[in-house]
Amino acid sequence: QKEVEQNSGPLSVPEGAIASLNCTYSDRGSQSFFWYRQYSGKSPELIMFIYSNGDKEDGRFTAQLNKASQYVSLLIRDSQPSDSATYLCAVPIQGAQKLVFGQGTRLTINP
Amino acid sequence: DAGITQSPRHKVTETGTPVTLRCHQTENHRYMYWYRQDPGHGLRLIHYSYGVKDTDKGEVSDGYSVSRSKTEDFLLTLESATSSQTSVYFCAIRRDSSTDTQYFGPGTRLTVL
Repeated sequence: QKEVEQNSGPLSVPEGAIASLNCTYSDRGSQSFFWYRQYSGKSPELIMFIYSNGDKEDGRFTAQLNKASQYVSLLIRDSQPSDSATYLCAVPIQGAQKLVFGQGTRLTINP
Repeated sequence: DAGITQSPRHKVTETGTPVTLRCHQTENHRYMYWYRQDPGHGLRLIHYSYGVKDTDKGEVSDGYSVSRSKTEDFLLTLESATSSQTSVYFCAIRRDSSTDTQYFGPGTRLTVL
């Protein structure tokens, strides 16, 4: 099993709806998780960081972590066409010296 | 802006030639990383550095070497480029903070013919 798995999509969501992106991980000892957004032809940029069970909200973005199920998700409320991008989940390993990335989920918001 | 630049931004080369990519940071961070990104594979770690002259391999290090003689520069060398090394290469730094977040440079698109 890969350390971090994401559904590569593409995921298509109508404008104004909630987009839900999911990530599962294999190491039960993982303590923190990152969500990056990557626009086509650009570099990944950090949008959310979560390290405790439950929800973390930042504007229209909510990260949800369930350590028992080894599952982390990203919800985007009131989706906008500008949210169309690939979203990458990442988990630190080896004392946070390295990050392991999922394959990324390509999200398209349809006007 | 994490103060990371990469050079060159685009390069086309031929099989068998040596290629060196440069990553430069302005913020003096200890950790620097080289990734490659390919369709269907996501971001994969090639090598990373945890200080001047201190480097270690990532999951796809074969065919690549690195050097770090100064804190601000991390070089990635393809000794003899192959077509399988055609990719987009990203450098990243890790900010020393409670979150240990990595920030990425703009990337280098390398094509090996």
